[in-house]
Amino acid sequence: SAVISQKPSRDICQRGTSLTIQCQVDSQVTMMFWYRQQPGQSLTLIATANQGSEATYESGFVIDKFPISRPNLTFSTLTVSNMSPEDSSIYLCSVTGDTDTQYFGPGTRLTVL
Amino acid sequence: GNSVTQMEGPVTLSEEAFLTINCTYTATGYPSLFWYVQYPGEGLQLLLKATKADDKGSNKGFEATYRKETTSFHLEKGSVQVSDSAVYFCALSPSARNTGFQKLVFGTGTRLLVSP
Repeated sequence: SAVISQKPSRDICQRGTSLTIQCQVDSQVTMMFWYRQQPGQSLTLIATANQGSEATYESGFVIDKFPISRPNLTFSTLTVSNMSPEDSSIYLCSVTGDTDTQYFGPGTRLTVL
Repeated sequence: GNSVTQMEGPVTLSEEAFLTINCTYTATGYPSLFWYVQYPGEGLQLLLKATKADDKGSNKGFEATYRKETTSFHLEKGSVQVSDSAVYFCALSPSARNTGFQKLVFGTGTRLLVSP
């Protein structure tokens, strides 16, 4: 399986600011995704990061709040914009190759004060 | 629609006890089924998977059998260790026969606490 890294691993931010999270994979992958895991909850899909085009967002998530880039087949970023305490979560990227199995990165733990 | 139901936790066991975490699903067609584990402070790791009926996924002493007749994929381990303490997520990927991306559907997670 692919090795996935995320930066930063954790951060504490002030409300109203923005944070960009990076996801790097050690091999080319077909699809990349971004999830949010609120405290004590399961995972919620934010969007599918499409290489070279706009991301596909799930219901309840918008590009202005969570802009996503995917310039190539191994890298993607998620920005959490104009943060509020409700954005405090773990943000995870995941990838798939030739099968429907998703592999997850270690996550970014965000606390918004 | 597609959904996954897991038993609520926490599940509290003593070391070397037998573990079962129940998972049932609702889906059309032939989904793939997964168990992921999240250790404290970490991301999700794929524990095991099964892609068709009667398949048994296994890894690190954990097993789960894809039961289409009962729409279940229960996770079992014969003898748990303290290091197995984590949150376990059951998930499905809708029918592989469909084209295009099929969103992974997660259960709510079950926390396992193993004491010495």
